[in-house]
Amino acid sequence: EDQVTQSPEALRLQEGESSSLNCSYTVSGLRGLFWYRQDPGKGPEFLFTLYSAGEEKEKERLKATLTKKESFLHITAPKPEDSATYLCAVRGYGNKLVFGAGTILRVKS
Amino acid sequence: DVKVTQSSRYLVKRTGEKVFLECVQDMDHENMFWYRQDPGLGLRLIYFSYDVKMKEKGDIPEGYSVSREKKERFSLILESASTNQTSMYLCASKRQGAGTGELFFGEGSRLTVL
Repeated sequence: EDQVTQSPEALRLQEGESSSLNCSYTVSGLRGLFWYRQDPGKGPEFLFTLYSAGEEKEKERLKATLTKKESFLHITAPKPEDSATYLCAVRGYGNKLVFGAGTILRVKS
Repeated sequence: DVKVTQSSRYLVKRTGEKVFLECVQDMDHENMFWYRQDPGLGLRLIYFSYDVKMKEKGDIPEGYSVSREKKERFSLILESASTNQTSMYLCASKRQGAGTGELFFGEGSRLTVL
């Protein structure tokens, strides 16, 4: 059974304090790993797709990386507007998208 | 701007009531999904639809049904609401084709069953 575990559950950072969120996964044949951002009271918003180990994607202060067992979402010099819940999901050969429970990020100024 | 619109943001219903959650997308997407989101559990798939009048059960279909009479509209129905169906319900759509995980989500419908 495909599984996704995200850590930590919650993370508090000071503005400018860089850190990383972790997404560990087990999947029968990875067909894609996806990161979403979710603001309070809103639906998730797509950020990145990663397909193979070694791949990296960047968007503003965010960079997603992928290994054979996990993905990291690196946040460089975060700002308060980066505060959100970050969700990771994987798609395997079953073609079903499996989500993790998310990491709640709070960035204080 | 592309959009997935959920008709009700907040609903309060009584146990045993029938509940309709409506979702409309304007992107001409073939695939549509209903998820529920609960703290600590992540998003769980209830039902999905590959095309008009087609539906497939997800991981937690018990107590729910769906309807897709038009390509742009996907409805979730709770035949007899129960307190354990109190949750955030999220509708999503995407283009047909394996390999793409880019779902477009609505803003969610928060349902409370008393």
